[in-house]
Amino acid sequence: DTAVSQTPKYLVTQMGNDKSIKCEQNLGHDTMYWYKQDSKKFLKIMFSYNNKELIINETVPNRFSPKSPDKAHLNLHINSLELGDSAVYFCASSQERTGTNTEAFFGQGTRLTVV
Amino acid sequence: GEDVEQSLFLSVREGDSSVINCTYTDSSSTYLYWYKQEPGAGLQLLTYIFSNMDMKQDQRLTVLLNKKDKHLSLRIADTQTGDSAIYFCAPDTGKLIFGQGTTLQVKP
Repeated sequence: DTAVSQTPKYLVTQMGNDKSIKCEQNLGHDTMYWYKQDSKKFLKIMFSYNNKELIINETVPNRFSPKSPDKAHLNLHINSLELGDSAVYFCASSQERTGTNTEAFFGQGTRLTVV
Repeated sequence: GEDVEQSLFLSVREGDSSVINCTYTDSSSTYLYWYKQEPGAGLQLLTYIFSNMDMKQDQRLTVLLNKKDKHLSLRIADTQTGDSAIYFCAPDTGKLIFGQGTTLQVKP
């Protein structure tokens, strides 16, 4: 069973389109994240949700809207796609436990190409 | 804000030791992590160190922490071709902040 799964794995779309990436975790974690990895491998946090509540919202264009229908899912919707949105998007989840480290589990990534 | 810096690339020969360095700005981290990203995959936790330690050894991996200089390093002994990957350090300040990662290339 995949712990953190993202769909689709690859997404090629035209500029101006609207697209969604889905993420599901079966680990029972309370916290989920979206990260963007650019072509230089820089990994930047975009959003974090804890128990369906948005807790981190980095400087991301408002064309990006995360939605968490329940704590096992965090989807990313992108409106009016631009060439610069091309990247690999990673979903991750973690569970904070008092007195011990918090390991984040990552999905396999969604490679988005905007043409 | 938080900032993490690593050298971008390291090339070593199989059997040599590799040392990957990281500097960070936020000193409030309780834990500091090393994650590994293999080609075409997500990140996986490799090892971590608690902020009140200055060294941790885990088989071929040695983590050194200098809190005063905000410097973290990862040493891989007897580096193998399977160690070729991108390595990210990540101080845990309540959110996991990564930088650009260090691409480790291991030549046979």
